[in-house]
Amino acid sequence: ETGVTQTPRHLVMGMTNKKSLKCEQHLGHNAMYWYKQSAKKPLELMFVYSLEERVENNSVPSRFSPECPNSSHLFLHLHTLQPEDSALYLCASSQDFGGGYGYTFGSGTRLTVV
Amino acid sequence: DAKTTQPTSMDCAEGRAANLPCNHSTISGNEYVYWYRQIHSQGPQYIIHGLKNNETNEMASLIITEDRKSSTLILPHATLRDTAVYYCIVRDGGSQGNLIFGKGTKLSVKP
Repeated sequence: ETGVTQTPRHLVMGMTNKKSLKCEQHLGHNAMYWYKQSAKKPLELMFVYSLEERVENNSVPSRFSPECPNSSHLFLHLHTLQPEDSALYLCASSQDFGGGYGYTFGSGTRLTVV
Repeated sequence: DAKTTQPTSMDCAEGRAANLPCNHSTISGNEYVYWYRQIHSQGPQYIIHGLKNNETNEMASLIITEDRKSSTLILPHATLRDTAVYYCIVRDGGSQGNLIFGKGTKLSVKP
């Protein structure tokens, strides 16, 4: 247990479904992140939130919609996904955005789009 | 793009020291060197980071060359559980620094 909890661990969804991934941290961190890890590819940074405000969106398609209602929770809302969106989705947090601090990652949600 | 170069894979005998190299020849003065590892099907785990001095913690040691163009992560007594992909990341210590992962080194610890 790293202190960053992601649910569900596994998710299978159809291309017309709407689902949400949840990330929760009680480390007192002020920044939270979504990463995507496709098979045999490096981790890709998707979204960055600092103090509940989105500070970065790395050209992610609109079928991925993040939400950060408070500093402890981060969601990734999914709708009309494509099979190529199947990947491991990782949430991370850090004390602050920027600075010399390490990131704490969750165990990820393994998403399969059918 | 990742600013580091690492070997694709390495093997290490159990109980021996694992020395993982990383080249970061374009590193700038305010960029830190971070090391993370990712065990299969888990999220990355922070190991250690440094700016210019060598660092040691309960997991590993980080040796940074004097010119800061390369570094080595040392696992003093590798175990089978240390088998993972190890990422060397250069990151600005200021407010614009994101954590950008490359392909890393796949370390296989063998009995």
